[in-house]
Amino acid sequence: DQQVKQNSPSLSVQEGRISILNCDYTNSMFDYFLWYKKYPAEGPTFLISISSIKDKNEDGRFTVFLNKSAKHLSLHIVPSQPGDSAVYFCAASGQMNYGGSQGNLIFGKGTKLSVKP
Amino acid sequence: KAGVTQTPRYLIKTRGQQVTLSCSPISGHRSVSWYQQTPGQGLQFLFEYFSETQRNKGNFPGRFSGRQFSNSRSEMNVSTLELGDSALYLCASSLAVSGAVQETQYFGPGTRLLVL
Repeated sequence: DQQVKQNSPSLSVQEGRISILNCDYTNSMFDYFLWYKKYPAEGPTFLISISSIKDKNEDGRFTVFLNKSAKHLSLHIVPSQPGDSAVYFCAASGQMNYGGSQGNLIFGKGTKLSVKP
Repeated sequence: KAGVTQTPRYLIKTRGQQVTLSCSPISGHRSVSWYQQTPGQGLQFLFEYFSETQRNKGNFPGRFSGRQFSNSRSEMNVSTLELGDSALYLCASSLAVSGAVQETQYFGPGTRLLVL
């Protein structure tokens, strides 16, 4: 039972255009969402996060949108660059793990982004 | 500030053996979590340690265990290795500031384990 789903295993975008990566979740107790970028044979690199009390968070070329009613979040990369080519993971956590702090992240299966020059 | 470090980076073992992986968190980080990444299952949570105590655990068999030392460094042990344990094992650390409910986890480069 996948609580965090990234339905597109891959995405190809032209350099300079917008990349939109999508993520859906099923557990309404999730209250913190993160995006990680991962290159082969490396650990995930944190990109951007959003709390459930917000609907948008922006950091440079990266913007994450959260639609709680639809249980959907998306990562926008504008403009896309060839160096952005990697696997992007959506992750979620919530207070239901224990106490009042996150204990673990639930990850989606990832979307492989290819940005073509 | 140095990032999360993991040793060794690569390891080859045979079925039935045991293995110990090490993780040093970012300085000042008190929480260490371990994850397993495989092509079929993706990234899955193993367990989390804080102040030398395991405070959260994923759905893995008892062959997978860990511990945390007073300096926040952590080790993960897998006993009686099986072929299916071949994976990238990732360690992540976070500040775990008291009262914080949302914290970012920062990952190390991982240890690639191959079981033959």
